[in-house]
Amino acid sequence: AQSVTQPDIHITVSEGASLELRCNYSYGATPYLFWYVQSPGQGLQLLLKYFSGDTLVQGIKGFEAEFKRSQSSFNLRKPSVHWSDAAEYFCAVGGAAGNKLTFGGGTRVLVKP
Amino acid sequence: EAGVAQSPRYKIIEKRQSVAFWCNPISGHATLYWYQQILGQGPKLLIQFQNNGVVDDSQLPKDRFSAERLKGVDSTLKIQPAKLEDSAVYLCASSSKGQGGGSPLHFGNGTRLTVT
Repeated sequence: AQSVTQPDIHITVSEGASLELRCNYSYGATPYLFWYVQSPGQGLQLLLKYFSGDTLVQGIKGFEAEFKRSQSSFNLRKPSVHWSDAAEYFCAVGGAAGNKLTFGGGTRVLVKP
Repeated sequence: EAGVAQSPRYKIIEKRQSVAFWCNPISGHATLYWYQQILGQGPKLLIQFQNNGVVDDSQLPKDRFSAERLKGVDSTLKIQPAKLEDSAVYLCASSSKGQGGGSPLHFGNGTRLTVT
């Protein structure tokens, strides 16, 4: 069965500091990996996705993520956090078309001024 | 393009009552999903439609939940009777292809259900 673990429930970071959110997945084949962001009262917005090719993927809002097959990880990073990045972030894994997308429990990011 | 539309935004009901949520996906998106997001958790898939057919409803509590997408466009999710543990945000999403396979999901803003 596929699963996603986000070990950090909450992360507090100062504005301007770097941010890294951890994601570990379990999937029996080549995974399709996603990061979504959810602001309060809003739906989820896609930040970036990985299917194949370069293991470092760039997304919107200055985010990037690195796929490491040997570690079953897909960590999200941002070099310099803005106050508007305060939100909840979800990692998700899926497979071929029609296969179920499974989300992790999320990491809530708080940004200190 | 217009996003995924959901209504209502909020609903408060008493246990054992019934409730219905409506979703209109992005125009042309064949695949529609209903997710349940309990506070503090990630979204959990309830049901996936491809056009007007059900692809996956393995996690839908069929004794109380039902969903339909009769014309392959908008969809309704119903709960009858509601339980306290059904309190959650119900998210609708759509994609142009099956999820995970290269076509990202576009989410609506959700309906927050409170069962008292």
